[in-house]
Amino acid sequence: DTAVSQTPKYLVTQMGNDKSIKCEQNLGHDTMYWYKQDSKKFLKIMFSYNNKELIINETVPNRFSPKSPDKAHLNLHINSLELGDSAVYFCASSWSGGRDEQFFGPGTRLTVL
Amino acid sequence: AQKVTQAQTEISVVEKEDVTLDCVYETRDTTYYLFWYKQPPSGELVFLIRRNSFDEQNEISGRYSWNFQKSTSSFNFTITASQVVDSAVYFCALSEGPSGSARQLTFGSGTQLTVLP
Repeated sequence: DTAVSQTPKYLVTQMGNDKSIKCEQNLGHDTMYWYKQDSKKFLKIMFSYNNKELIINETVPNRFSPKSPDKAHLNLHINSLELGDSAVYFCASSWSGGRDEQFFGPGTRLTVL
Repeated sequence: AQKVTQAQTEISVVEKEDVTLDCVYETRDTTYYLFWYKQPPSGELVFLIRRNSFDEQNEISGRYSWNFQKSTSSFNFTITASQVVDSAVYFCALSEGPSGSARQLTFGSGTQLTVLP
């Protein structure tokens, strides 16, 4: 059983489109995250949700909107996609408190043409 | 200022050589956590180790060992007798900030390790 799953694995789309990436974890964790990894492999946190509430919201354009319908799911919706949004997006989960390791999904490679 | 510095962008070694990946961090917190993750060519992020700021004991796990020194704010990772399968990007990360769910993980820029046969 996959601990943290993301769909789709690859996403190719045109500039200006709206797209969503879904994430689910079956570890029972109370905190979920979205990270962006750019072409230079730099990983940066975008959002963190604890028990469905937004905890961390880094400086991310408001075209990005996370939605957490329940503790096990954290989806990422992106409006009006731009070329610079091309990256690998990772979902992760952990217990709250920042003490424990985060478990990462396989990543979604988004390519905006 | 960068909170987690991995000064080695790329390292190449020949199989069976030992290699050390450096990580220097910066924080004002007295309680913090350090991590190492591995990202193989397949792209997933794999957790390797966690250390809290109160535990400076070095750790060994098979061919992997970690040296945590608060005096130099470093948390270095050594692979002994490297193998081709160790080729990956290795990330050091720091968890700090207000206690509770507001703590966040800051990653270093990663070190690409290539082990040649």
